[in-house]
This record gives sequence, structure tokens and C-alpha cells, in this order.
Amino acid sequence: DIVMTQSPLSLPVTPGEPASISCRSSQTLLRDSNGYNYLDWYLQRPGQSPQLLIYLGSHRASGVPDRFSGSGSGTDFTLKISSVEAEDVGVYFCMQTLQTPFTFGPGTRVDIK
Amino acid sequence: QVQLVQSGADVKQPGASVKVSCRVSGHILLELSIHWVRQAPGKGFEWMGGFDPDHGETLYAERFQGRVTLTEDTSTETAYMELGSLTHDDTAVYYCATGFRASTDHYWGQGTVITVSS
Repeated sequence: DIVMTQSPLSLPVTPGEPASISCRSSQTLLRDSNGYNYLDWYLQRPGQSPQLLIYLGSHRASGVPDRFSGSGSGTDFTLKISSVEAEDVGVYFCMQTLQTPFTFGPGTRVDIK
Repeated sequence: QVQLVQSGADVKQPGASVKVSCRVSGHILLELSIHWVRQAPGKGFEWMGGFDPDHGETLYAERFQGRVTLTEDTSTETAYMELGSLTHDDTAVYYCATGFRASTDHYWGQGTVITVSS
């Protein structure tokens, strides 16, 4: 199985400041045949279902504010928030869908300082 | 507006089976690939299985093989996940979700709490 790791696991943030979360996979998530990285980013707010932020490595999901961006390729990926807002608190996790079983990172808890 | 509406919470005894439903509204079930994911208390997410449209088959995580069955009833636009031989370790929130490996149709159900307790 592909193992997903994230860092940091906890991230206190200041509203208006940028934030960044790293996700690494034990195997490449790049499919050479189509050039896509099969890596998604989600935010789970307290008491809610996960919300997709970024799919296939760098594509912002419908309705997601443009302060969220995803980058990286192969085994190293980054989610960036250009300017954190109070509503961004929650647990962020990455997920690989290149091969089954799909696997998830442990999550990064983001809260306001 | 597309919604995945799941059945309510349930309590089961060890050894029993549970069947969770996921009703699709605002879309056609046949056009979606439903997957099931669970989150145990204090633990991360775990993919259980889902439909692979590229090969037209249902895939299961090996660790659940033989214990989980995913089905769909297109007449009621409802997908089902049945998990058997329950143990306390199966206590979790179970989600149906769509849009994995896709550029569109990314939706999650509200989650169903399943508690296994004697």
C-alpha cells in the first residue's frame, strides 16, 4: 500500500498570514500516460464531512476560494493558503487515488493562534 | 444541487452485519462512481471500496475482502454498503463519496455513525 505522510501535524495560524502543509507519498503518484498526479487535498471542518479543495495535485475544486493552491509532483506535494481566514480551521488531509487501496495522510490540524 | 443522503446511526452487536444506504439526489446514480470510506474514532480515514468506471468493476480494499459488499439500486438511486462479522474495531463513521480520480462530481455524504457494542 502507498503510505502517505503529512507535516506538520498541527499548525497554529494567524489570520491574514500564509500557511503551508506538506504531503509525501511512499511511491510516485504521477501517472506517466496522462501526466496527472493522483493526489487530492481535503478540509474537514469540525462536525462536517470532508470538503474537496484540490484534485489531481493542483486543480482547485469548484467553489473553492483562490487563496487555496496545490503544487508538487511525484512524491512531494504542498497545499498553500495565501492568506488564512478564520473559516479555514479544521483538519487538512491528503489522499492518493493512483492505486487501490486509496490511502490518506494522517491529517494536519489547523487552528487560530 | 447534488446530495448524498445516508441512513441514520445504528448500534450493532459483535458478529452482526450492518447495511448503510446512500441515496443520490440531483444526479443519476449510474453516472457516479460511489466509494465508501470510514473514519474510526481518533483515527484516520480508510478506503473500503468503490466502483472503477475504467474497468466496469467494483474494487474492494483487501483488508475488507469477503466481509464488505457494495451494491446499487438504480430504481431508487441508492447505493449500499454491507459489512459483516462486525467487531468493536468497526465502530466508525462511514461515508459514501464520489469523484475520486475525476475532475467533476466531487461529493460526500453526511456520514453514518455505526457503533459496535455488546
